[in-house]
Amino acid sequence: GIQVEQSPPDLILQEGANSTLRCNFSDSVNNLQWFHQNPWGQLINLFYIPSGTKQNGRLSATTVATERYSLLYISSSQTTDSGVYFCAVSAGTALIFGKGTTLSVSS
Amino acid sequence: GAGVSQSPRYKVTKRGQDVALRCDPISGHVSLYWYRQALGQGPEFLTYFNYEAQQDKSGLPNDRFSAERPEGSISTLTIQRTEQRDSAMYRCASSITGFADTQYFGPGTRLTVL
Repeated sequence: GIQVEQSPPDLILQEGANSTLRCNFSDSVNNLQWFHQNPWGQLINLFYIPSGTKQNGRLSATTVATERYSLLYISSSQTTDSGVYFCAVSAGTALIFGKGTTLSVSS
Repeated sequence: GAGVSQSPRYKVTKRGQDVALRCDPISGHVSLYWYRQALGQGPEFLTYFNYEAQQDKSGLPNDRFSAERPEGSISTLTIQRTEQRDSAMYRCASSITGFADTQYFGPGTRLTVL
């Protein structure tokens, strides 16, 4: 099956800093989603982005499908951005999740 | 409602008891998925419904786990004779059609088996 690798596994930032999270996947996909799991356990959709670039406020994402990776950019980070960021992909099957990047933003 | 809802949000049970977890998907969503998430891990697929038909149950760990969606809307995941290793967050998701669509996740049910 498809392998999903996320990096870095952990990230510590000061409020206001920018960051880039990476997701590599091992095969062609027809679905790629980024999620934020907040400290209360909610899994929140950030982007549906099997290809191309999208932006939503301080967050943006780019997927280069031909090179099998996706990037999530967080600008001007806030303490509320803390939590675990998951990348998940599908190739006609259920979503396969990476192990996540744990982000801690301190004030 | 506007999103996927699940109940109960928390369930504590004793080993050997049966539990039933409920999922109410977004109205009009044809596809419904169940995932299980262990602490510190990403969710892992359990089973998938298209309308009322269970299309894929390859992720169910053993025959103590079953799921149904009899009218193509609400789904129930049942775990019989629970064991401590069943303790996890059980998440439900729905999408308009199939795997290529955006999946929206519910808040999850935290199951603890004592």
